[in-house]
Amino acid sequence: GNSVTQMEGPVTLSEEAFLTINCTYTATGYPSLFWYVQYPGEGLQLLLKATKADDKGSNKGFEATYRKETTSFHLEKGSVQVSDSAVYFCALSDRGSTLGRLYFGRGTQLTVWP
Amino acid sequence: GAGVSQSPRYKVTKRGQDVALRCDPISGHVSLYWYRQALGQGPEFLTYFNYEAQQDKSGLPNDRFSAERPEGSISTLTIQRTEQRDSAMYRCASSLAEGQGSFFGQGTRLTVV
Repeated sequence: GNSVTQMEGPVTLSEEAFLTINCTYTATGYPSLFWYVQYPGEGLQLLLKATKADDKGSNKGFEATYRKETTSFHLEKGSVQVSDSAVYFCALSDRGSTLGRLYFGRGTQLTVWP
Repeated sequence: GAGVSQSPRYKVTKRGQDVALRCDPISGHVSLYWYRQALGQGPEFLTYFNYEAQQDKSGLPNDRFSAERPEGSISTLTIQRTEQRDSAMYRCASSLAEGQGSFFGQGTRLTVV
């Protein structure tokens, strides 16, 4: 089946530190991969995506590379800011299942201190 | 509106009552999804519409849950005879094309007391 496993949080960093949030997946077909972010009091927002192997998604200084050989899509940012504090969700959609249906990880809470 | 709109934002209901949750997707988005998110978990799929056709309802937990999208735009998720275990955040999302990701509303926080 389809599933996503994220590193457990919470993650606490100082401002300007390097961030990595690990995400691995299993999929029955050919997935597209996503990172969503949920800021306090807000809904889920699409942060970045990659639709095929070796693609790199990027947005707002965040990056993630679709690695088929390791079935991973780790989220990275070189220098985090206080405003990056949020919950981050890794997700996949599998072309072999319901069109566009998303399978989510449990989420990783990130807190950045000034 | 420009985004996915859900109402109400918060709903408190007594056990045994029926509730209806509304979703107004982004204009032109033919795909609409409902998800349920428990505290500390990621969203879990409930059901999917393509236009007005409900093409996948495999995630609905039991027959107390139903959804409709009669004109291919606004959708309603109905929970009958609510139970405390139904308490969760209910999220609606819409999508223009597969692989592009879905756009989510702010959700409806349902509390059954």
